Amino acid sequence: GAVVSQHPSWVICKSGTSVKIECRSLDFQATTMFWYRQFPKQSLMLMATSNEGSKATYEQGVEKDKFLINHASLTLSTLTVTSAHPEDSSFYICSAVDRALSYEQYFGPGTRLTVT
Amino acid sequence: QKEVEQNSGPLSVPEGAIASLNCTYSDRVSQSFFWYRQYSGKSPELIMSIYSNGDKEDGRFTAQLNKASQYVSLLIRDSQPSDSATYLCAVIKGSTLGRLYFGRGTQLTVWP
Repeated sequence: GAVVSQHPSWVICKSGTSVKIECRSLDFQATTMFWYRQFPKQSLMLMATSNEGSKATYEQGVEKDKFLINHASLTLSTLTVTSAHPEDSSFYICSAVDRALSYEQYFGPGTRLTVT
Repeated sequence: QKEVEQNSGPLSVPEGAIASLNCTYSDRVSQSFFWYRQYSGKSPELIMSIYSNGDKEDGRFTAQLNKASQYVSLLIRDSQPSDSATYLCAVIKGSTLGRLYFGRGTQLTVWP
């Protein structure tokens, strides 16, 4: 149980375009999902907290107009990187928690984004 | 002071030895503690959660929590080369509704 999927696993896009990343909880309902970014050899950085049916809460320094988050259902959250630039190239990871059971967070496999 | 601190290592142990990973946290009202393992280029994988003082064992892994000292540790017995990874300590603070605060991670290498 507690499986979280992400799609795509990797993506290459041109500078100025937008990219959408999907995060799904496969066998539980995720009342809350989190989006992280990780640069090489650095720790995870929380970008935003996404609650089903409400607006995402962004961490300080994260541009909400650039990183659009939608948590439209209890099993799906999406992150759209708009007008991507090479400095947005990173490893994006989502996690999901089913608060009905516990506070254990389960991570998706991540999406590696390269902006050329 | 950082929310969660770990000895950054790297930690290197021989196969079969016990690896000891340590973590301290700053928020006294924290209630939930987790250890994640992250292989290079992969996302974190939950290996242990602990909520009460004392020890919690799961196979070769033992998590230890001491809330009075604000200290949590992970012991890996009979270490295997496949245990080589970065281990992340994570804490949920008392009032943050599930948000994890991560340490910087300890890189463990188990050599044959």
